[in-house]
Amino acid sequence: GEDVEQSLFLSVREGDSSVINCTYTDSSSTYLYWYKQEPGAGLQLLTYIFSNMDMKQDQRLTVLLNKKDKHLSLRIADTQTGDSAIYFCAESIGGSYIPTFGRGTSLIVHP
Amino acid sequence: GAVVSQHPSWVICKSGTSVKIECRSLDFQATTMFWYRQFPKQSLMLMATSNEGSKATYEQGVEKDKFLINHASLTLSTLTVTSAHPEDSSFYICSADRQGVSGRGQFFGPGTRLTVL
Repeated sequence: GEDVEQSLFLSVREGDSSVINCTYTDSSSTYLYWYKQEPGAGLQLLTYIFSNMDMKQDQRLTVLLNKKDKHLSLRIADTQTGDSAIYFCAESIGGSYIPTFGRGTSLIVHP
Repeated sequence: GAVVSQHPSWVICKSGTSVKIECRSLDFQATTMFWYRQFPKQSLMLMATSNEGSKATYEQGVEKDKFLINHASLTLSTLTVTSAHPEDSSFYICSADRQGVSGRGQFFGPGTRLTVL
C-alpha cells in the first residue's frame, strides 16, 4: 500500500465543519503537513505538526495527531466556498524535510 | 516571505522539442531545490533533488538524460525536458528548501503545465 493514504473526495455544506483524514505508515515520521492546492496552482502549506504533538490549532484549522494509530486529521471550521481545493497530507521522516505526499482529498463546498 | 516562482506557468510544445522550466527563490537563498511531477488527480511524485553547484540526485525510475536539471545559483534551478513526448505532459512543480525554518523548510512554486502535442 501507499505510505500516506487519504480519501479522495469530501463534500460539505457551506458553514459546516470539514474533517479530512489521513493515515501514514512510518512511525518515525518527524513532521506531518497539510497542504492546499487550488486548481491550476502550486501547493500552499496550511499547517504542520511535529510528531510529539497531539494537536495544533490555527484559526479555523485544527490538526489532530494520533501517533499510536498513525492517523492525522485536519478540521476546517465554518467551511467556506473558498476552501474548495485539494488537500494533501504529507510526512517527512527523520532529519529530512522532503515530504512524502498522499494522493490528495478534493474538498467540495456547496451552498 | 519565502516566495518561489516558476516560469513559464504553462507551455505547449511539439513532440521532439526541448522545454526549459525555471524555478526561482525570490527572497531567500536555496541550496537545495526539488522537482516534482503531478499527474491529474494524483499525488506529487518527487523526480529529483537539485543541489547548488553539484549534480542532481534523481529518484528511481526518472531518466536523468531526459530530465536535465541545473542549479547554477542559490536562487535558480532549471528543469529541461529533452525531446519531449506526449507522455511527458504533466504539471511540474518545484520547491525550494529554506534553511533554518524547522518543519516548513520547503516552499513550493505555482507549477508549470506542460502539454506536448
